[in-house]
Amino acid sequence: QVQLVESGGGVVQPGRSLTLSCAASAFTFSNYGMLWFRQAPGKGLEWVALVSSDGINKFYADSVKGRFTISRDNSKNTLHLEMNTVRADDTAVYFCAKAGVERTPDYWGQGTLVTVSS
Amino acid sequence: DIVMTQTPHTLSVIPGQPASMSCKSSQSLLFSDGKTYLYWYLQRPGQPPQLLMYEVSKRVSAVSDRFSGSGSGTDFTLKISRVEAEDVGVYYCMQSIQLPLTFGGGTKVEIK
Repeated sequence: QVQLVESGGGVVQPGRSLTLSCAASAFTFSNYGMLWFRQAPGKGLEWVALVSSDGINKFYADSVKGRFTISRDNSKNTLHLEMNTVRADDTAVYFCAKAGVERTPDYWGQGTLVTVSS
Repeated sequence: DIVMTQTPHTLSVIPGQPASMSCKSSQSLLFSDGKTYLYWYLQRPGQPPQLLMYEVSKRVSAVSDRFSGSGSGTDFTLKISRVEAEDVGVYYCMQSIQLPLTFGGGTKVEIK
């Protein structure tokens, strides 16, 4: 069964940086695009970033473009999200997801909570 | 960006009764390959979303046949033929025809 386990969440001050990781198992990681989503407390789902299977092509939501960087290490079956210059409105549970057909998420991790607060 | 609009916001349903929810997109989700890139997810309380339906009406394996999806272009519907307690949660529609991927605001299904 596909497993995705996020880590790295916590409390971070506004303007600082944080890096999230997602450990993948039970599928051939290097064959699939991967995504990050987030969900602010009590709110709906928001797409954050997408990386192609080979790590070359990267796409971002306008709300994080220029501040967040998605990357992957196919040798370690791991996905990352580097979050820089964080703001209060970045507070959310961050989910990683495996992309199935046409970048659609078909499996999701349990999420990791990021709280931006001074 | 494509705007996804879901109604109603909340559905309160008696177990065993049907439920129906709507999703409308601001642009057609029909692509030139003939596929319609509309997906349904269920997020149970405290859980991540799980994929229920893909390309409007195709059920993911292990999803109950009580669930059915229909629609075309910009108007879509998810129906539950007989609601059970395990169906409680928030249902989201999502489009993937173009980036950014966008979701509807969700329909919360609760048991009456």
